[in-house]
Amino acid sequence: DIAMTQYPDNLAVSLGERATINCKSSQNILSNNKNYLGWYQQKPGQPPKLLFSWEGTRESGVPDRLSVSGSGTDFTLTITSLQAEDVAVYYCMQCHSSPITFGQGTRLEIK
Amino acid sequence: EVQLVESGGGLVQPGGSLRVSCAGSGFSFSSFWMNWVRLAPGKGLEWVANIKQDGSEEFYVDSVRGRFTISRDNARKSVHLLMNSLRVEDTAVYYCAGGSGWFIEVWGRGTLVTVSS
Repeated sequence: DIAMTQYPDNLAVSLGERATINCKSSQNILSNNKNYLGWYQQKPGQPPKLLFSWEGTRESGVPDRLSVSGSGTDFTLTITSLQAEDVAVYYCMQCHSSPITFGQGTRLEIK
Repeated sequence: EVQLVESGGGLVQPGGSLRVSCAGSGFSFSSFWMNWVRLAPGKGLEWVANIKQDGSEEFYVDSVRGRFTISRDNARKSVHLLMNSLRVEDTAVYYCAGGSGWFIEVWGRGTLVTVSS
């Protein structure tokens, strides 16, 4: 199984400051020039919401202060200017091979 | 509008069975891989199972293989998860989710399954 490890587990950032969430896979999830990785945001009482597709494309409605980078085994989600509505748990997910696996989640809050 | 609506959750005793279902609308259901993903209290997301567009392939996480069965009915735009030999640790919100490949693009709002005596 491919293990996905996120760090940190918890992150507190001041409004307007940068937040960085890291995700590391135990195996290379790059194939056919695509990283089989997605990023999701989940707020309390809501289902997860897809933020970025496996091609790194920002989904409709996702603000451009959120961005992703990385390839192979190391990936990063960055929020350049934290807003109150960004408070959530963020997950990375690999779909390169079965079983599909998620990172343990990073809880982002306002400092 | 793309919608996935789950139903069938509830309280069941350990060792019991439950079937949860999901109805899709607003997209080409038969062209999507469909998944079940769960969120246990105090835990993170865990993928449970998925099924290919035509139902010819199924995959499961080790912890449920042999106990859970995923199925789909493309004519009714629905996917089901039959859960047998339920354990306390299966308690979770179960989300129906789908995508054109294994990548999960759309999610339902979830249905709560509680396994307790």
